[in-house]
Amino acid sequence: GENVEQHPSTLSVQEGDSAVIKCTYSDSASNYFPWYKQELGKRPQLIIDIRSNVGEKKDQRIAVTLNKTAKHFSLHITETQPEDSAVYFCAASTTDKLIFGTGTRLQVFP
Amino acid sequence: DTAVSQTPKYLVTQMGNDKSIKCEQNLGHDTMYWYKQDSKKFLKIMFSYNNKELIINETVPNRFSPKSPDKAHLNLHINSLELGDSAVYFCASSQAGGSSYNEQFFGPGTRLTVL
Repeated sequence: GENVEQHPSTLSVQEGDSAVIKCTYSDSASNYFPWYKQELGKRPQLIIDIRSNVGEKKDQRIAVTLNKTAKHFSLHITETQPEDSAVYFCAASTTDKLIFGTGTRLQVFP
Repeated sequence: DTAVSQTPKYLVTQMGNDKSIKCEQNLGHDTMYWYKQDSKKFLKIMFSYNNKELIINETVPNRFSPKSPDKAHLNLHINSLELGDSAVYFCASSQAGGSSYNEQFFGPGTRLTVL
């Protein structure tokens, strides 16, 4: 079955800096790669996703890149703000279920 | 106008008790899920139902029994609660997968504490 590894587990950055979170997956059949943000005590919410026929996708300060050959995908947040502080989860799926990474706790210091 | 709702939000109970968590979605989605998030924040799928039919059962102890009376509702009943069941349980829903996987919308979570 699918296995998703996520690094780093914690990430601290200064406000205005960029943050990068990386994930690798094992199942070459996976074709959907969402990223979820979970604020303290709240539900996970989708922030961006990418499908296997696309190499990069951007939405304002957030971008995701996918390297299908290497089975890597990454989340890039530019110009970080304190409200970006949260736990971020990557996930990978084929058609029936999402397998989540272990999460990255991002702290943005003012 | 809540999309995915769960009740209760908090549940504190003694070991050995039986409890239920309810989930409802008003998005018209065909597929619903239960996830368990432990103290380390790992999110792990437990069950998935599509149009009231069980499609995923991730080797969860049979003390956990999901029930889907219709495609808008997915409940989780837990028998003989154990300390290790303490976690946050999230319900989620999505439009049917098939060859095109779609965003999952999560409920607010139910924090279960077993004493």
